[in-house]
Amino acid sequence: QITLKESGPTLVKPTQTLTLTCTFSGFSLSTSGVGVGWIRQPPGKALEWIALIYWDDDKRYNPSLNSRLTISKDTSNKQAVLTMTNVDPADTGTYYCAAVVTTDWFHPWGQGTLVTVSS
Amino acid sequence: EIVLTQSPATLSLSPGERATLSCRASQSVSSYLAWYQQKPGQAPRLLIHDASNRATGIPARFSGSGSGTDFTLTISSLEPEDFAVYYCQQRNNWPPLFTFGPGTKVDIK
Repeated sequence: QITLKESGPTLVKPTQTLTLTCTFSGFSLSTSGVGVGWIRQPPGKALEWIALIYWDDDKRYNPSLNSRLTISKDTSNKQAVLTMTNVDPADTGTYYCAAVVTTDWFHPWGQGTLVTVSS
Repeated sequence: EIVLTQSPATLSLSPGERATLSCRASQSVSSYLAWYQQKPGQAPRLLIHDASNRATGIPARFSGSGSGTDFTLTISSLEPEDFAVYYCQQRNNWPPLFTFGPGTKVDIK
């Protein structure tokens, strides 16, 4: 059974750096074809894909956020880490991580973690 | 950048009725399209991938169709637990980039 769980701060001040960790089980990020993605959702709004890292360390970023993002993996600890610099209140929302394993799509998802950007 | 539009924004139906949701891409995505269901306070759940393939454990009342730029999610007979928001999502084949549509809310009439 594949599970994922997001962790990180619930409150971040504007201009600070946000670091989120996705801890997963049931698969390995060293297996060919496997990836972990991050998706966010502002309150009451639609989903937005942020970033994705593959088993071979290939990294993909949403072009609109690219300059502020870094995604990395810790295979042995079964984690994927997302860093977002210079956060703004517009970055407030629920952040999800999701697996790309049995299909090339996001499945399953973690429960999400709510991040508020406010001074 | 490929943009997805979904229609209608809201669909008001009764249990037992048929729901037809549309997703249109600004350029061809071939069959690289998925549908997700999201209930209040929950994470999204994959329903359909590659336009017409049901994900594991998804009931047969959910079906997807289409290719190129026009896609449809059909719920043949709405169950009470199907009232939710539905998102379509595309992925570029290469480089792999992903976008979501704005969602369609299916609520109880």
